[in-house]
Amino acid sequence: AQTVTQSQPEMSVQEAETVTLSCTYDTSESDYYLFWYKQPPSRQMILVIRQEAYKQQNATENRFSVNFQKAAKSFSLKISDSQLGDAAMYFCAYRSPTSGTYKYIFGTGTRLKVLA
Amino acid sequence: EPEVTQTPSHQVTQMGQEVILRCVPISNHLYFYWYRQILGQKVEFLVSFYNNEISEKSEIFDDQFSVERPDGSNFTLKIRSTKLEDSAMYFCASNPMGLNYNEQFFGPGTRLTVL
Repeated sequence: AQTVTQSQPEMSVQEAETVTLSCTYDTSESDYYLFWYKQPPSRQMILVIRQEAYKQQNATENRFSVNFQKAAKSFSLKISDSQLGDAAMYFCAYRSPTSGTYKYIFGTGTRLKVLA
Repeated sequence: EPEVTQTPSHQVTQMGQEVILRCVPISNHLYFYWYRQILGQKVEFLVSFYNNEISEKSEIFDDQFSVERPDGSNFTLKIRSTKLEDSAMYFCASNPMGLNYNEQFFGPGTRLTVL
């Protein structure tokens, strides 16, 4: 069975600085999808960035980028020029291509604090 | 922009009582999900629902749980006889069908407290 691990329960970053949130996963599949979701306090989870495992190029969305290391089964999220609005819980998620229901397997989350 | 909504935001109940958590998925979506997160633990998959039937369920989703889409818009999770360990955040999610639509859209969650 696939598992997702986020080893950093909490991280802090100074406003305008860069922070990296780590995520590792375990799978025997060769093709899959990985996601980072952001959950602000009392708000729904929203997609930050996605990565298809068959793509070698790391995904980028504005200030958010990933470092996808397939062999190491690592999928870290880098937030550049951190803003106060980036403060939230961040969840890493895995989706198997063989799951006909497209269910997600989540990590435990990392709480990001942004310091002014 | 369309959003998944959930009601109530917080539900407090006594052990042994039945609760119904409600979700309104995005209208043109076809797959629906319930996940839960016990405080400080990971978000766990409970059940997926497609074409008016359960398509997959986890080992957590035992006979105490049921799901229903009673009227084509609401998607409900019922817990028949709540236990203390059912206290958690419950998230509803939906996504359109198709391999290109691999993103799930989540609701804000319902915090269930069982006393």
